[in-house]
Amino acid sequence: QKEVEQDPGPLSVPEGAIVSLNCTYSNSAFQYFMWYRQYSRKGPELLMYTYSSGNKEDGRFTAQVDKSSKYISLFIRDSQPSDSATYLCAMREYNFNKFYFGSGTKLNVKP
Amino acid sequence: GAGVSQSPSNKVTEKGKDVELRCDPISGHTALYWYRQRLGQGLEFLIYFQGNSAPDKSGLPSDRFSAERTGGSVSTLTIQRTQQEDSAVYLCASSLGGGVGQETQYFGPGTRLLVL
Repeated sequence: QKEVEQDPGPLSVPEGAIVSLNCTYSNSAFQYFMWYRQYSRKGPELLMYTYSSGNKEDGRFTAQVDKSSKYISLFIRDSQPSDSATYLCAMREYNFNKFYFGSGTKLNVKP
Repeated sequence: GAGVSQSPSNKVTEKGKDVELRCDPISGHTALYWYRQRLGQGLEFLIYFQGNSAPDKSGLPSDRFSAERTGGSVSTLTIQRTQQEDSAVYLCASSLGGGVGQETQYFGPGTRLLVL
């Protein structure tokens, strides 16, 4: 079983839709959770970072963590064509610097 | 300011040859990571450097892979006797390497390696 599971998609939505991206994980020791966005032929860039259960909002993006279910989500409101990219979740344990990444979900927002 | 840079951006090599991939981290970043990303896959951790500490090599897939970091700055990932399965994008990332909030990784654009 992989440490982090993520649906690869692709996910295709119309502009303005609410997008929900999800990851599940098996290691209950994971404490820090991140979402990265990766455009084609570019390196990933950090979108959201959280270390507690609950919601964290930043503009159109909301990260949600449910440690009891080992499940994290990223919501994108009012999605734009510029949001079209691959979204990767990542996580790590408290005192370890090794990050575990999901395989990424490819999102396409149609104008 | 300058971000993480990697060279070459693309590398085509023949099976059995050695390759060296270079990463220039952001100035002042003490932590440096190498990842491998196969087509359509997520990032696979290879190795982690933090300051002068011994690197965490737990992700290196075989003894054909090695990496060094000179002077706490530039890093080189070397793959010896390349195999076709080594074809992937190799990504480097750096971070401040401190406590919570300082481990945000900044990624380079990657080196696309194709082994024929």
